[in-house]
Amino acid sequence: DADVTQTPRNRITKTGKRIMLECSQTKGHDRMYWYRQDPGLGLRLIYYSFDVKDINKGEISDGYSVSRQAQAKFSLSLESAIPNQTALYFCATSDPTGPGTDTQYFGPGTRLTVL
Amino acid sequence: KQEVTQIPAALSVPEGENLVLNCSFTDSAIYNLQWFRQDPGKGLTSLLLIQSSQREQTSGRLNASLDKSSGRSTLYIAASQPGDSATYLCAGEYGNKLVFGAGTILRVKS
Repeated sequence: DADVTQTPRNRITKTGKRIMLECSQTKGHDRMYWYRQDPGLGLRLIYYSFDVKDINKGEISDGYSVSRQAQAKFSLSLESAIPNQTALYFCATSDPTGPGTDTQYFGPGTRLTVL
Repeated sequence: KQEVTQIPAALSVPEGENLVLNCSFTDSAIYNLQWFRQDPGKGLTSLLLIQSSQREQTSGRLNASLDKSSGRSTLYIAASQPGDSATYLCAGEYGNKLVFGAGTILRVKS
């Protein structure tokens, strides 16, 4: 079984709809991340969480919210989806032991299309 | 602003050829430089991580180097195989975040 899973894998929705993307991990890591990837661009950080009580905005948090329900679960919500949120979304986890050791482990991605 | 750039955007080579992928970064205050592989429909897989105090890392046919003074990293793939076809991304770790390049799409032709 995969260490980092994302549901759904694909989703098509309409403008204005509320959408939740879910991420679960079995690695026992405290740190979890949400990224989006657009064609021709690298991954951009949306939100990150270093433990259940810690939530931080990333580079592009506008229009998104997150919930860290447990160490193993981190959800990303789009309150009112818009077409420019069409992208590939990745969840990741990590457990660094010090500066420069932050290897991140990625889920398979969720392809979201907003019509 | 921290930026990471990868050149070329796409590369096509015949099987067996040695190749180099390039990554440059604007802020040399980097904690580490990581190389990832991305296959269609799958997430990113970490290939190599070079800490800021290191010059290179090797794993099998892969060798990654880091030159902080020039703001550059390279990923060398020896004796390329069709199974190496994928998108390769580099990312610099700055404090609590990774800054990614846009990736190089590699195609190895049999």
